[in-house]
Amino acid sequence: EAGVAQSPRYKIIEKRQSVAFWCNPISGHATLYWYQQILGQGPKLLIQFQNNGVVDDSQLPKDRFSAERLKGVDSTLKIQPAKLEDSAVYLCASSFRGREADTQYFGPGTRLTVL
Amino acid sequence: AQKVTQAQTEISVVEKEDVTLDCVYETRDTTYYLFWYKQPPSGELVFLIRRNSFDEQNEISGRYSWNFQKSTSSFNFTITASQVVDSAVYFCALSEASGGGNKLTFGTGTQLKVEL
Repeated sequence: EAGVAQSPRYKIIEKRQSVAFWCNPISGHATLYWYQQILGQGPKLLIQFQNNGVVDDSQLPKDRFSAERLKGVDSTLKIQPAKLEDSAVYLCASSFRGREADTQYFGPGTRLTVL
Repeated sequence: AQKVTQAQTEISVVEKEDVTLDCVYETRDTTYYLFWYKQPPSGELVFLIRRNSFDEQNEISGRYSWNFQKSTSSFNFTITASQVVDSAVYFCALSEASGGGNKLTFGTGTQLKVEL
């Protein structure tokens, strides 16, 4: 069974530029998550989708971050414009139903460096 | 608010030693789930184990074992006979219902270095 796929693996941009990340979850998983992991910290949830609807985006900086999951499968996370403090690893995860008991499976992440 | 504390920032051991990673959590929920993930240098978070709040039975799976104690809100993880390939950052996480969904609250991680 294929795992969670993410691209690109690495991205370097200058501040005020835009960037987008892509995620393809495990087949059959209804729930998709985007986490931000700053160096030396644990991942922090940015947004959670159940199929193509947003369940929780309370931690998403909506003035610059946006995310969509149009057909309930793939998802994109966008930052526009990027700030220096956005330098982090962006992790995508998926789970079967999005319940507390469900295990979240993570992709390899996208390491973003903002100069 | 839920919280996970991993007080050990970094642990260094020699191969074949046993090592225990500590995790203390805070939650008001009566039903919750605890996880351990491993993050090797490649960056991907790898799921290791999951435990629910109703099952305090400690288990062993290969070289891994865990000690879950509700009385002290601890969920410690032990690697027996450590190997160099075990070198990674280990995260403890707590699953909570959130805004109609669920999210993982992670600790800050423990860097494990296993040397020859």
